[in-house]
Amino acid sequence: AQSVTQLDSQVPVFEEAPVELRCNYSSSVSVYLFWYVQYPNQGLQLLLKYLSGSTLVKGINGFEAEFNKSQTSFHLRKPSVHISDTAEYFCAGDNTDKLIFGTGTRLQVFP
Amino acid sequence: KAGVTQTPRYLIKTRGQQVTLSCSPISGHRSVSWYQQTPGQGLQFLFEYFSETQRNKGNFPGRFSGRQFSNSRSEMNVSTLELGDSALYLCASSHRGASSGANVLTFGAGSRLTVL
Repeated sequence: AQSVTQLDSQVPVFEEAPVELRCNYSSSVSVYLFWYVQYPNQGLQLLLKYLSGSTLVKGINGFEAEFNKSQTSFHLRKPSVHISDTAEYFCAGDNTDKLIFGTGTRLQVFP
Repeated sequence: KAGVTQTPRYLIKTRGQQVTLSCSPISGHRSVSWYQQTPGQGLQFLFEYFSETQRNKGNFPGRFSGRQFSNSRSEMNVSTLELGDSALYLCASSHRGASSGANVLTFGAGSRLTVL
């Protein structure tokens, strides 16, 4: 099945701590991969994308992700989170005719 | 550069009614996609329009329809509303042209539909 799996539904973390949000994709999904963030009552905002080239991708707000073809993973990381990073994060893969989204990870940053 | 604009932002309907949602894409974007977001099902693809033609369609009943105008603006319509249609409907536009390539979507803020 063509799918994107986010392994954690919720990730609690203290402010200034590092965080990793995990994402795995099925091998049948195109290797165009994305991370989006959704704040309450808003749409999705693109954090970063992997289309080709360097496997380490840097995005907005200090986030980065690493494409790992052998492990079919595209984990999102931030070395030091802020309260304002509290949001829902979605991993997505391009299935040629549409984006397939994971179920989302709720990042909760505590002071 | 203006982003993707969706109207209305919030609306309440009753079962059996129909609803039309509107989406204005980023200037120059000719591809418009629609997604439904619910707590239970997550983000699900409805359809994509390109140059006034439906290019792709998700697995939704025929009550869900859409169209695109010559200026790339798009509308989606849901007829005979059911309680389960309550959701956030997200529109997204992209540069993707007629050929294949990465579909980098820019989303609007969404239209939140509540069906009573």
